[in-house]
Amino acid sequence: DTEVTQTPKHLVMGMTNKKSLKCEQHMGHRAMYWYKQKAKKPPELMFVYSYEKLSINESVPSRFSPECPNSSLLNLHLHALQPEDSALYLCASSTTGTATNEKLFFGSGTQLSVL
Amino acid sequence: AQSVTQLDSQVPVFEEAPVELRCNYSSSVSVYLFWYVQYPNQGLQLLLKYLSGSTLVESINGFEAEFNKSQTSFHLRKPSVHISDTAEYFCAVGAMFSGGYNKLIFGAGTRLAVHP
Repeated sequence: DTEVTQTPKHLVMGMTNKKSLKCEQHMGHRAMYWYKQKAKKPPELMFVYSYEKLSINESVPSRFSPECPNSSLLNLHLHALQPEDSALYLCASSTTGTATNEKLFFGSGTQLSVL
Repeated sequence: AQSVTQLDSQVPVFEEAPVELRCNYSSSVSVYLFWYVQYPNQGLQLLLKYLSGSTLVESINGFEAEFNKSQTSFHLRKPSVHISDTAEYFCAVGAMFSGGYNKLIFGAGTRLAVHP
């Protein structure tokens, strides 16, 4: 199994809603990532978990809250989002997250619209 | 500091024609370079990577890229493209930051549009 699975594929939420994005991989990878991608732009790194600990937070607003319950799962909890947060949210994984030469495996993403 | 510049935002080409997508990087340390491809409504997939050794790297679907240290380039080429190659292509460099953490620095992307 070489897949990273993200659910849901699409999400529409209001600015007062609370929702969660889910990501799962069964490749034994110990690093998992959240990226945000606006239309026609490259992905921007948000968070990195390495060995289930948060290792990188790219100064992301607190309305985004990541969680890594175990080595296979990564969640992104959303609360009080703004319309400008509408984007494609990509999850990725890699072997350890400690080397700059690692291949990233990406999920298909969750297309989020905030109304 | 590491950075990546993709010189063309869009490249239109006819089917079976050759194509080159340009990528230049800047890095003061050892360089690991990648090309990722993103098909519509999908995540990114690794196309090929340069870590060390031979400067010419190839992918299984006919793409190749050449690492040129003197020109700080990692251009992607294919001698004959197919309609199915239509996608967004991202060049990226692996970067190490102070504090010991690393991440991929992506270029802005090049939209390859293959026309019949």
